[in-house]
Amino acid sequence: EAGVTQSPTHLIKTRGQQATLRCSPISGHTSVYWYQQALGLGLQFLLWYDEGEERNRGNFPPRFSGRQFPNYSSELNVNALELEDSALYLCASSFTTGDLVSPLHFGNGTRLTVT
Amino acid sequence: AQTVTQSQPEMSVQEAETVTLSCTYDTSESDYYLFWYKQPPSRQMILVIRQEAYKQQNATENRFSVNFQKAAKSFSLKISDSQLGDAAMYFCAYRSRLPTGANSKLTFGKGITLSVRP
Repeated sequence: EAGVTQSPTHLIKTRGQQATLRCSPISGHTSVYWYQQALGLGLQFLLWYDEGEERNRGNFPPRFSGRQFPNYSSELNVNALELEDSALYLCASSFTTGDLVSPLHFGNGTRLTVT
Repeated sequence: AQTVTQSQPEMSVQEAETVTLSCTYDTSESDYYLFWYKQPPSRQMILVIRQEAYKQQNATENRFSVNFQKAAKSFSLKISDSQLGDAAMYFCAYRSRLPTGANSKLTFGKGITLSVRP
């Protein structure tokens, strides 16, 4: 079974540009989560998509946005990049059956560097 | 809102020895999940062990076990017979059992870096 896949592995952008990060969940998983892992700050929750809808977002400005496609893959867009956006962006997927939520399975992340 | 605290930024253990990683959390909920994730240099977060709050018995997975103290809101991870491959960053995480809205996300601690000495 293929795991969560993220692309690209590395991304280098200049301040003010836009970045697009992609995530494909495990087959059968309908929920996709995005986390930012900046140095020394642990994992900060960004966004949660389920069945194509944004269900929750973390404490991040609106220039962080995304979407989930009908095949449950997801994109994270970061507009007007700032230097402090440099971080590892992790995507995770899970499924929900009734009140049971499967553990999150993570991808290898996209390392975004803003210069 | 729930919070997860890992107060030790780094720990070191001799190969074959036992080490315990600490985690405390704060919540007003009575039903939830707790997790330990491992992040090796490859960057992928790997689920190590999971505990349901309604279960009194501590979870175990081979060399990994937890000490879950619900009243104290403490959730420590014990690694027995430490191996070089255990060297990684370890994250404690909390998740509400209710899969709706804000409760579905994992809340992570800041992590602890574990090194294993040969």
